[in-house]
Amino acid sequence: QKEVEQDPGPLSVPEGAIVSLNCTYSNSAFQYFMWYRQYSRKGPELLMYTYSSGNKEDGRFTAQVDKSSKYISLFIRDSQPSDSATYLCAMSVNIYGGATNKLIFGTGTLLAVQP
Amino acid sequence: ETGVTQTPRHLVMGMTNKKSLKCEQHLGHNAMYWYKQSAKKPLELMFVYSLEERVENNSVPSRFSPECPNSSHLFLHLHTLQPEDSALYLCASSLQGSEQFFGPGTRLTVL
Repeated sequence: QKEVEQDPGPLSVPEGAIVSLNCTYSNSAFQYFMWYRQYSRKGPELLMYTYSSGNKEDGRFTAQVDKSSKYISLFIRDSQPSDSATYLCAMSVNIYGGATNKLIFGTGTLLAVQP
Repeated sequence: ETGVTQTPRHLVMGMTNKKSLKCEQHLGHNAMYWYKQSAKKPLELMFVYSLEERVENNSVPSRFSPECPNSSHLFLHLHTLQPEDSALYLCASSLQGSEQFFGPGTRLTVL
């Protein structure tokens, strides 16, 4: 079983739709949960960073963490064509006494928002 | 320059060549990372440096050799690579165990 599972898609939605992206994980030691957006031929860009169960909102983006179910989600409201990208979930544990951390990524979900 | 920069952005090399990838961070971070991103696979952590000391080596073949001369610079030295090493190589940095910020990557093709 992979430590992090993510549906690779592709997911195609019309402009203005609400998008829901999800990941499940198996390692209870994960402490921090992130969503990255990666445009084609670019590096991943950090979108959301959370460490506790519950919701975190930033503009059109909401990150949700359910540690009891080992499940995280990213919601995108009023989706735009510019949101078309690959969305990567990532989980981390601190290593080396907390001096740094180790990220485990999902495979990424390719999202296409149609105008 | 701001954020995390990587050079070169594209690299084509033969299996007998030796080349180096360079990463520089302008964020005042003290930890740096190398990741490999292959098609249809999750990002794979290769190496972690904290305060210029290597703290993680994720079972990477010895044909990949990292170097971290100071907290702002990270290199990945490549020699006798295989075609299956063709991938996007990403550098990231963080302030201790906080969120990681990525560079744009080097697209490597091994012929």
